[in-house]
Amino acid sequence: GENVEQHPSTLSVQEGDSAVIKCTYSDSASNYFPWYKQELGKRPQLIIDIRSNVGEKKDQRIAVTLNKTAKHFSLHITETQPEDSAVYFCAARADYKLSFGAGTTVTVRA
Amino acid sequence: DVKVTQSSRYLVKRTGEKVFLECVQDMDHENMFWYRQDPGLGLRLIYFSYDVKMKEKGDIPEGYSVSREKKERFSLILESASTNQTSMYLCASRGQGGDYGYTFGSGTRLTVV
Repeated sequence: GENVEQHPSTLSVQEGDSAVIKCTYSDSASNYFPWYKQELGKRPQLIIDIRSNVGEKKDQRIAVTLNKTAKHFSLHITETQPEDSAVYFCAARADYKLSFGAGTTVTVRA
Repeated sequence: DVKVTQSSRYLVKRTGEKVFLECVQDMDHENMFWYRQDPGLGLRLIYFSYDVKMKEKGDIPEGYSVSREKKERFSLILESASTNQTSMYLCASRGQGGDYGYTFGSGTRLTVV
């Protein structure tokens, strides 16, 4: 099955700086790559996604890039704010199901 | 908005008990999923269902079973609960077609003592 690896496991950034989370996947058939944000005590929420026919996608302060050849994709958060503090999960989809990375705990220092 | 509702937020059960976790979605989604979430391990897929009465094993099905008798309801069953099944359980649903995103329920924190 699909194996998704995510790095780093924790990330501490100064408010206003950028944060980057990287993921790799193993199944070349994966064609959809979402990112979820989970705040403490809450459910994971989809924040951005990218399909395999697209190399980059932006939504305000967040962007995702995909390199199909290398089988890796990344989340970029610019101008970080305290409300960006959360656990972020990457995922890759093949067939019906999503396989998730282990998560990155992001802390934005004021 | 799609709503995915899990019947219990917190559960405490004894070792050996049969445990039912219920999940209901209100948007006529075909696909439903059960994950467990553990620190440092992310979300791991237990079972999923792509249609009524259909079920498929995920990555960690041992010790679990599921039931999908109606489209809106997907139940996770722990046949004989064990302490290593103490975890957060998340249900998710997804429609067919262009919208690939999952919608998650709020989760059930299960403690087996």
